[in-house]
Amino acid sequence: DTEVTQTPKHLVMGMTNKKSLKCEQHMGHRAMYWYKQKAKKPPELMFVYSYEKLSINESVPSRFSPECPNSSLLNLHLHALQPEDSALYLCASSPGQVTNEQFFGPGTRLTVL
Amino acid sequence: AQSVTQLGSHVSVSEGALVLLRCNYSSSVPPYLFWYVQYPNQGLQLLLKYTTGATLVKGINGFEAEFKKSETSFHLTKPSAHMSDAAEYFCAVSRPNTDKLIFGTGTRLQVFP
Repeated sequence: DTEVTQTPKHLVMGMTNKKSLKCEQHMGHRAMYWYKQKAKKPPELMFVYSYEKLSINESVPSRFSPECPNSSLLNLHLHALQPEDSALYLCASSPGQVTNEQFFGPGTRLTVL
Repeated sequence: AQSVTQLGSHVSVSEGALVLLRCNYSSSVPPYLFWYVQYPNQGLQLLLKYTTGATLVKGINGFEAEFKKSETSFHLTKPSAHMSDAAEYFCAVSRPNTDKLIFGTGTRLQVFP
């Protein structure tokens, strides 16, 4: 299995909702990432789990909360989001720090009303 | 610090014409370099990568890139454009043994019949 899968593909939520995005890989990769991508922009790194250690982009608001239940799964918990958080959320995985080649999932298109 | 510059946010070519997408990088250490392609509403797909060794790198879909240290460049080329090549292309750089990719701002390739 050489894929990174993400669910759901689309998500519409209100500003008071709590939802979660899910990401899964079965390539034995030891690093997983969450990115946010706005239209016509490159992906912006939000969080990295590398060898079970979390690294955070300090500019990411606390209404986004990552969770890594095991080395194959990565969740992004969403709470009290704002309309400006509407974007494509991409998950990626990497074998580790040797080449940093990252494999991306298809993304979740999030709309916050 | 590392950075990536992609010259030209939009490139238009005719079907069958040469594709040239430009990427220049800045890095204090020998970099790892990547080209990714993104089709509308999809994730990023790795086209090719340079880590060490041969400086001319061949990738998928007939694309290739040449690492030129003296010019700090990693331009992407394809001899003959196809309509299906229309997409957004991102150049990225990383340092060996780090978690992070630094993306360029992207180049949108349009292919006209």
